Amino acid sequence: DAGVIQSPRHEVTEMGQEVTLRCKPISGHNSLFWYRQTMMRGLELLIYFNNNVPIDDSGMPEDRFSAKMPNASFSTLKIQPSEPRDSAVYFCASSPNLNGYTFGSGTRLTVV
Amino acid sequence: AQTVTQSQPEMSVQEAETVTLSCTYDTSESDYYLFWYKQPPSRQMILVIRQEAYKQQNATENRFSVNFQKAAKSFSLKISDSQLGDAAMYFCAYGPVRGNKLVFGAGTILRVKS
Repeated sequence: DAGVIQSPRHEVTEMGQEVTLRCKPISGHNSLFWYRQTMMRGLELLIYFNNNVPIDDSGMPEDRFSAKMPNASFSTLKIQPSEPRDSAVYFCASSPNLNGYTFGSGTRLTVV
Repeated sequence: AQTVTQSQPEMSVQEAETVTLSCTYDTSESDYYLFWYKQPPSRQMILVIRQEAYKQQNATENRFSVNFQKAAKSFSLKISDSQLGDAAMYFCAYGPVRGNKLVFGAGTILRVKS
């Protein structure tokens, strides 16, 4: 089991550019979560999917953020256009149920 | 809405000693899950221990144990025989039985002195 796989591990981009973060959940896990971690706000849930369907996107900060899960093995989080305040570590996690919540290694995004 | 509070931004412990990290939460639910996650400098989030609210017995995983006080809504983590590798940020988290999203506390940085 390779765990939750996120890419890229680091991303540096210029303000105004589009950024796409990718996540491959653990096979068989039917829930997928995107979290953002910053010093100021800690860990915030952005959105989560159940069986590929977005269930709760109330944490998505603005229309510049969008997330998709086209199939059970892949999800993306897109920021367009990116801003310096979007700089953070973005985590993807997957779960078969609330007993097993596994995080990926995170993507550190820096917007300059 | 559920909230999780970790009142200790930082803690220090001497190697081989015992340390307790505090966590309180607020919920109107009677059944739920509680978790402690460890985040070392590598930033990987690692599940340390899990407690089911309907179980009165405190969960234990090797040197890690919890003191779960349901009436007080308290869920502290005790680390015995602390090791240098225990140095990390520790997050307490609450998860409802219905629904599927975890609510995290702000975290406690644990430093281990040799």
